[in-house]
Amino acid sequence: DAKTTQPPSMDCAEGRAANLPCNHSTISGNEYVYWYRQIHSQGPQYIIHGLKNNETNEMASLIITEDRKSSTLILPHATLRDTAVYYCIANSGTYKYIFGTGTRLKVLA
Amino acid sequence: GAVVSQHPSRVICKSGTSVKIECRSLDFQATTMFWYRQFPKKSLMLMATSNEGSKATYEQGVEKDKFLINHASLTLSTLTVTSAHPEDSSFYICSARDLHGGPQETQYFGPGTRLLVL
Repeated sequence: DAKTTQPPSMDCAEGRAANLPCNHSTISGNEYVYWYRQIHSQGPQYIIHGLKNNETNEMASLIITEDRKSSTLILPHATLRDTAVYYCIANSGTYKYIFGTGTRLKVLA
Repeated sequence: GAVVSQHPSRVICKSGTSVKIECRSLDFQATTMFWYRQFPKKSLMLMATSNEGSKATYEQGVEKDKFLINHASLTLSTLTVTSAHPEDSSFYICSARDLHGGPQETQYFGPGTRLLVL
C-alpha cells in the first residue's frame, strides 16, 4: 500500500476551516484514501474515505487531486473538540492499515 | 456506525504474569480483526491480523509466542500478552471489518486498552 506523508502539526482558529493535506504520490489505481482521527487516549475514529471523486459527509469533506497524488481533508468549522491527531491512509482493501505519523491538529479558542 | 468494544480499558499487572485483552464487534460480524500497539506520542503499529477460525498472521518482529491471538467467533478476538514485562506496557487497540462490507469497507476501532506492567 502507498506510503502517505503529512505535516506533523497544524493550528487552526476555532470556527475557521481546517485544511489538512496528505501526500500519497505513489498511490495505485485501486487504493482508496481513508482519513481517521485519534483524540487523546482513544481509538481512531473514522472520518471519510474516497477513491477519486471528492466526498462530503457530516464530519468533513475530502478533496482528492485529479492525479490522486495528494488529498486534503477539510473540517469546515473547526471546534475545540476537533483537536486530535489526523491520519491519512492509502489502502487497496488488503485490510492492513499502515499508519503514518499523522498531523496533530490543535484548534485554538 | 459500527461499534467495537475492548475489555478491560486499563490493566495493571506484575511482571511475569499474563494478561488477556478482549475485542468484540457489537453489532456486526467480523472474520478479520486487527491488533495494534501504540507507545506514547507515537503512531499505531500493526501487530497482527486475527482471522476467525484460523491462525493469526503476525507482522515482522512481533513474537507470536509472546502475543497469543485467538479469534474463536465472528464477534470476538482475544490478545494475550504472556509473561508480561515492563517493556510491554503500551496502549493496545483492536479494529474490525464488517464481514458483509465491500473491499472499501472501513475498519472500526475499539477504544483501546492501556496496559501497565510493574
